[in-house]
Amino acid sequence: QQQVKQSPQSLIVQKGGISIINCAYENTAFDYFPWYQQFPGKGPALLIAIRPDVSEKKEGRFTISFNKSAKQFSLHIMDSQPGDSATYFCAASPPLVFGKGTRLSVIA
Amino acid sequence: KAGVTQTPRYLIKTRGQQVTLSCSPISGHRSVSWYQQTPGQGLQFLFEYFSETQRNKGNFPGRFSGRQFSNSRSEMNVSTLELGDSALYLCASSLGTSDTEQFFGPGTRLTVL
Repeated sequence: QQQVKQSPQSLIVQKGGISIINCAYENTAFDYFPWYQQFPGKGPALLIAIRPDVSEKKEGRFTISFNKSAKQFSLHIMDSQPGDSATYFCAASPPLVFGKGTRLSVIA
Repeated sequence: KAGVTQTPRYLIKTRGQQVTLSCSPISGHRSVSWYQQTPGQGLQFLFEYFSETQRNKGNFPGRFSGRQFSNSRSEMNVSTLELGDSALYLCASSLGTSDTEQFFGPGTRLTVL
């Protein structure tokens, strides 16, 4: 049972553009929504996280938008850079359940 | 502060064998979770241990088991290996509350032949 659905599976964005990744969840008991970034050969690392009592959270070029009524949340990467090329996972907890990931490629 | 360490990093086994993977959490972290990562299924939660007790469990068969020691180190065991068990097994540690960051190790790449 896929409790967190993530789209798209892959994304190609030009350098300087905006990358947008969307997620939807089913379990209304989830109360913590993190995003993880994973580079090849490494474990995932926390990028940014949000609680459901907040509709938006921004950290540098990364912003989470959260819509509690629609049970959806998204990650926006502004001014995308080649170094952002990685796989991004949305997640919800507890317990921590991941989306299937989005492979982002930022091309110059 | 040392990160999460996992041993071994790579492992090759044959069908029917069993395997034990080890995870050393960050000092002070009492929660250790295990995940299986495959290209098709993504990251799937196996189980979580907190203070030596299994606190949560994912939907995996009983061939997958784990334990946690008093120093918070954790081991995961897979018995009667199947080809489909080939995956990257990730361990993550945290302080143990729902909204604390989980820190992942580099994983153990298991190949079953």
